[in-house]
Amino acid sequence: AAGVIQSPRHLIKEKRETATLKCYPIPRHDTVYWYQQGPGQDPQFLISFYEKMQSDKGSIPDRFSAQQFSDYHSELNMSSLELGDSALYFCASSWNLAESYEQYFGPGTRLTVT
Amino acid sequence: SQQGEEDPQALSIQEGENATMNCSYKTSINNLQWYRQNSGRGLVHLILIRSNEREKHSGRLRVTLDTSKKSSSLLITASRAADTASYFCATDAETSGSRLTFGEGTQLTVNP
Repeated sequence: AAGVIQSPRHLIKEKRETATLKCYPIPRHDTVYWYQQGPGQDPQFLISFYEKMQSDKGSIPDRFSAQQFSDYHSELNMSSLELGDSALYFCASSWNLAESYEQYFGPGTRLTVT
Repeated sequence: SQQGEEDPQALSIQEGENATMNCSYKTSINNLQWYRQNSGRGLVHLILIRSNEREKHSGRLRVTLDTSKKSSSLLITASRAADTASYFCATDAETSGSRLTFGEGTQLTVNP
């Protein structure tokens, strides 16, 4: 079965640079979520989109923005990167219209800011 | 603040034994999900239990939910070395839509 695809899998950036993370949800899934997991921590919700509209916003810095495109893929844009942004970034998708709320996670993008 | 707290934080058992992990949460929920994460890798969805369900089974997994105590447990029977991982519970609260709030996780080590 198709899973959530994230790219790139690894990314190394310097402070103050920008990064773009991509997420391709499971086909037919209508909701995409972004989470950030710092070293040794549990994942923290950043933002979500339902049918291409922002549906919820969590602890996402103003330096970050995200959108969902017409083909349902989503991108997380991160600017003015800081050392503290080094983390695993997960995308998850679910099919909420079908009231199936299981969130399936991608493999994550490991971002290292130096 | 953390929605969920997991107990124990670390658990070490022998292959073939059962492993029980507990999770507590603070607010009313719609669903509770359990995930497994191998070191620094992706989160694998294990099972979802709805707030109106009390118990659910999937293979060697048994999940219980007690909404009056705001707690859940995950039982893995006949554990295998391959079950070694971190296990997280995650809830979506009634008031916050479907975003997940994770517990701190239990690190399970199954010794061969």
